Amino acid sequence: DIQMTQSPSTLSASVGDRVTITCRASQSISGYLAWYQQKPGKAPNLLIYKASSLQNGVPSRFSGSGSGTEFTLTISSLQPDDFATYYCQQYTTYWTFGQGTKVEIK
Amino acid sequence: QVQLVESGGGVVQPGGSLRLSCAASGFTFSSYGMHWVRQAPGKGLEWVAFIRHDASTQWYADSVKGRFTISRDNSKNTLYLQMNSLRPEDTAVHYCVKDTYDSSGKYYFDYWGQGTLVTVSS
Repeated sequence: DIQMTQSPSTLSASVGDRVTITCRASQSISGYLAWYQQKPGKAPNLLIYKASSLQNGVPSRFSGSGSGTEFTLTISSLQPDDFATYYCQQYTTYWTFGQGTKVEIK
Repeated sequence: QVQLVESGGGVVQPGGSLRLSCAASGFTFSSYGMHWVRQAPGKGLEWVAFIRHDASTQWYADSVKGRFTISRDNSKNTLYLQMNSLRPEDTAVHYCVKDTYDSSGKYYFDYWGQGTLVTVSS
């Protein structure tokens, strides 16, 4: 099974900050990685697929990069609506999520 | 617009059964694979089961294999999850999820329902 590990688990930041979340796979997943945002009590929302492709309607301050086993999600200028939990997911062999990164207000 | 509406959650005793349903609209249901994903209270996301667009293939997470059955009725635009031999660790919000594919033909999740809570407790 492919394991996904995110870091950090919690991140404290302020509005306007540049934020980076890292996701590592236990083996190469090429670029088959997606990122989701989840707010409390709500379903996850797709942000990025194929490591760096922005889903329609997602603000351009979100970007993704990486390949193989190491990936990043970057929010270029954190907005109030961005305080949430973020999950990475590999989809090369079945589907596995990272444990999540909570972005909270500093 | 795509809508996925789950129903059927509730409280059930350990060893009991429950059937979840997901009514889909806003897209050609019979053309897309569908999944169930769950989230235990305060925990992360866990993929549970997948069914191909034509129901020819089903895959399951090891944690539910042999106990859960995913199925679909393309004439009714509805996805199901039959859950048997339920355990306390199955307590979670269960989401119905639509997939799509990228340029390499790999499947990822693009739309999620609002979820239905299953609680397994005596």
